[in-house]
Amino acid sequence: GAGVSQSPSNKVTEKGKDVELRCDPISGHTALYWYRQSLGQGLEFLIYFQGNSAPDKSGLPSDRFSAERTGGSVSTLTIQRTQQEDSAVYLCASSLDTGTDTEAFFGQGTRLTVV
Amino acid sequence: DAKTTQPNSMESNEEEPVHLPCNHSTISGTDYIHWYRQLPSQGPEYVIHGLTSNVNNRMASLAIAEDRKSSTLILHRATLRDAAVYYCIHPLGGGADGLTFGKGTHLIIQP
Repeated sequence: GAGVSQSPSNKVTEKGKDVELRCDPISGHTALYWYRQSLGQGLEFLIYFQGNSAPDKSGLPSDRFSAERTGGSVSTLTIQRTQQEDSAVYLCASSLDTGTDTEAFFGQGTRLTVV
Repeated sequence: DAKTTQPNSMESNEEEPVHLPCNHSTISGTDYIHWYRQLPSQGPEYVIHGLTSNVNNRMASLAIAEDRKSSTLILHRATLRDAAVYYCIHPLGGGADGLTFGKGTHLIIQP
């Protein structure tokens, strides 16, 4: 596709259930980022991938959060045993690499609501 | 923590120029200065970036101070569609600092 694609666009889940959020980056982009944005708040960095590797997992809020990337392309963010405070928009971005001269492209996000 | 400082909000009138300031006093010699904006209910979008020289593109201009410790994003003729949160960042080479966003400036455009 022409841009970063995220699915689903909206997800409503019951507290305690597991959810998987998917990100399809722009083809050829080696760097991939996940962010979380709660209502009216700024972007909270979660994790980034360079290829299939995630050198920095320090932004993940708890051990219920995990992410993987396979084939240097699609990434999934998994939240286990969801809690109401996990409700937010989850944004994915990709860039050619992690160099400072590189612009990032964002998807439209997945709005997660935990009820 | 974000390494840039921006005003929380600014207000401007439609069809007037807007100058959005950003301080980045800890920037290193090789860090580019990037600006992104986030329109309501959308993901952030790239606006412009530069290293030392002033930069222009179809969306905006970026004026970078000679010491590189500050920059100004210039919207030459604001429209209502420019109302958004504008983020100034200087990404390092990946990692948590690679694309760390602060709170940005909420730009309000009055008709």
